[in-house]
Amino acid sequence: QLQLQESGPGLVKPSETLSLTCIVSGGSINSGGYSWGWIRQPPGKGLEWIGRIYYSGNTYYNPSLKSRVTIYVDTSKNQFSLRLSSVTAADTAVYYCARHVTGVVVYYYYYAVDLWGQGTTVTVSS
Amino acid sequence: SSELTQDPAVSVALGQTVRITCQGDSLRTYYASWYQQKPGQAPVLVIYAKNNRPSGIPDRFSGSSSGNAASLTITGAQAEDEAEYYCQSRDSSGNHWVFGGGTKVTVL
Repeated sequence: QLQLQESGPGLVKPSETLSLTCIVSGGSINSGGYSWGWIRQPPGKGLEWIGRIYYSGNTYYNPSLKSRVTIYVDTSKNQFSLRLSSVTAADTAVYYCARHVTGVVVYYYYYAVDLWGQGTTVTVSS
Repeated sequence: SSELTQDPAVSVALGQTVRITCQGDSLRTYYASWYQQKPGQAPVLVIYAKNNRPSGIPDRFSGSSSGNAASLTITGAQAEDEAEYYCQSRDSSGNHWVFGGGTKVTVL
């Protein structure tokens, strides 16, 4: 059974770079039809989509974060990672790594996140 | 528009039916997916591609769509259905994904 597990520092200083890694176990990140991405949730707030990557390296980012975000994949280690630069207190959140799936049903496309990591809390504070 | 709009909260009596709605221009083109999130837990996909349930999701959860709106219906709500529910789709103007603001469902 495929599982996702986030890892990385729980505390980051303002203006520095947040770095998280998601380890994929029980299956290959090279599986066709899926992309791999990150979603975050500030304390007491809703979900915010950050971005996703295919194993080929193609990436798509939230326009509001695009200038600060990099997602990259390491297929040899079966993992993918998030870098968010110039962080502020507003970047304090639970960060989830997640498997994204896209498909077509009766001429319409659907987009879903069908597998989530447990989430890791990142606090931005000096 | 990149926004998906949900009502902040709704309540339902135990065993009754509740419908949660999500509105946005992108829903005219793309199906919504729905997620259930309980406190301290990661979200769980409950509906995708309009009205498809992943394995393990009870059949009391169903989805529908019309025009620029999508709905999640819980028929015969149970105490364990009390949670935050989020809709999600793709933005109509770009290749990025968006979530609604969430609806808190309280089972009375």
